[in-house]
Amino acid sequence: GNSVTQMEGPVTLSEEAFLTINCTYTATGYPSLFWYVQYPGEGLQLLLKATKADDKGSNKGFEATYRKETTSFHLEKGSVQVSDSAVYFCALRGVSASKIIFGSGTRLSIRP
Amino acid sequence: DTEVTQTPKHLVMGMTNKKSLKCEQHMGHRAMYWYKQKAKKPPELMFVYSYEKLSINESVPSRFSPECPNSSLLNLHLHALQPEDSALYLCASSQDGASRQFFGPGTRLTVL
Repeated sequence: GNSVTQMEGPVTLSEEAFLTINCTYTATGYPSLFWYVQYPGEGLQLLLKATKADDKGSNKGFEATYRKETTSFHLEKGSVQVSDSAVYFCALRGVSASKIIFGSGTRLSIRP
Repeated sequence: DTEVTQTPKHLVMGMTNKKSLKCEQHMGHRAMYWYKQKAKKPPELMFVYSYEKLSINESVPSRFSPECPNSSLLNLHLHALQPEDSALYLCASSQDGASRQFFGPGTRLTVL
């Protein structure tokens, strides 16, 4: 079945550091891939998405590229801010499916 | 209006109580979802409604009873819950079952 694996947290970085959160997936065909962010005490917000191979999703300085050859969708940001502190979930949805499968989440803490 | 709203924000209930969680969207979305999220875990899908009909039930215990009275509203009726049901309950909606899901802020439920 479909699954998502993302790097264990917590990840603690200093402000302006470079961020990478790894995400790999297992799925048949070409699933849609997502990164969601959950700030403390809030629901999930879609951060970015990609729906086909080599697509790059980007938003708020975050980027992720859909790599079919490595079944990966790693999240990157060149210079993190304290306000980026949150839990980040990598997720996928199979072709024509309603169900989103989430990774276990990575807690990111940015210190000033 | 691009929001999904949920009420109440917080709910504390005893194991013999009956309560309901409410979710509302006015984006014209025809698919609505309930997720359960335990602390430090990813969201888990509970139910999917598509065009006001239940299309997915992820083997959820009968003490959780969803209801979709119209295309804008989704309720989750709770009865005889257990302390382990304490969690954040997230509602989401999408244009259809294969489109981007918009999440509400959640209801934080505590069962005593």
